[in-house]
Amino acid sequence: GQNIDQPTEMTATEGAIVQINCTYQTSGFNGLFWYQQHAGEAPTFLSYNVLDGLEEKGRFSSFLSRSKGYSYLLLKELQMKDSASYLCAVMDSNYQLIWGAGTKLIIKP
Amino acid sequence: NAGVTQTPKFRVLKTGQSMTLLCAQDMNHEYMYWYRQDPGMGLRLIHYSVGEGTTAKGEVPDGYNVSRLKKQNFLLGLESAAPSQTSVYFCASKNVGLALENAGELFFGEGSRLTVL
Repeated sequence: GQNIDQPTEMTATEGAIVQINCTYQTSGFNGLFWYQQHAGEAPTFLSYNVLDGLEEKGRFSSFLSRSKGYSYLLLKELQMKDSASYLCAVMDSNYQLIWGAGTKLIIKP
Repeated sequence: NAGVTQTPKFRVLKTGQSMTLLCAQDMNHEYMYWYRQDPGMGLRLIHYSVGEGTTAKGEVPDGYNVSRLKKQNFLLGLESAAPSQTSVYFCASKNVGLALENAGELFFGEGSRLTVL
């Protein structure tokens, strides 16, 4: 079966760095996506990886290792507004997105 | 600047009642999706459409029907609601582009919270 695992909840301090991990087992791979979802709101697209390595977008970076079935989202200089759930999703061989349950990130002052 | 709009945003139903959720997008996107989101679970695909007049089943289609009569609208129907259908429903759309990145970049509506008693 297809499976995406990420931690349920993480806590970090304002101004610090946090890494949210995602491991996956899917039938085929056509890219890994990270979305941000604030409580009670819609998910919004953050990043995309299809090749191994690090993609940087401002304070956010996303890393992929296809051989290990592993990705992480790195958030630097944390701000209170970064408190949200972060969803990992993999596009399978049918070009359908398979979603993880999300990691709720709590930022403390 | 509307993007994807869902109506209604909240609804309470009794078991056995029927209802329709409406999704409208103004971005001229070909693909549209209906997901449900439950605590502790990832988004699960109910039905999707790759263009006007087409629909297809997703991962959890039972108990739901859909229609895409117009390109901009995607309707989700519950014929006989059950408590197991209590959930937050998200509609999403995407463009059909050449870049693979576009294939995974979905634009979501704000969600419709449905409670079935």
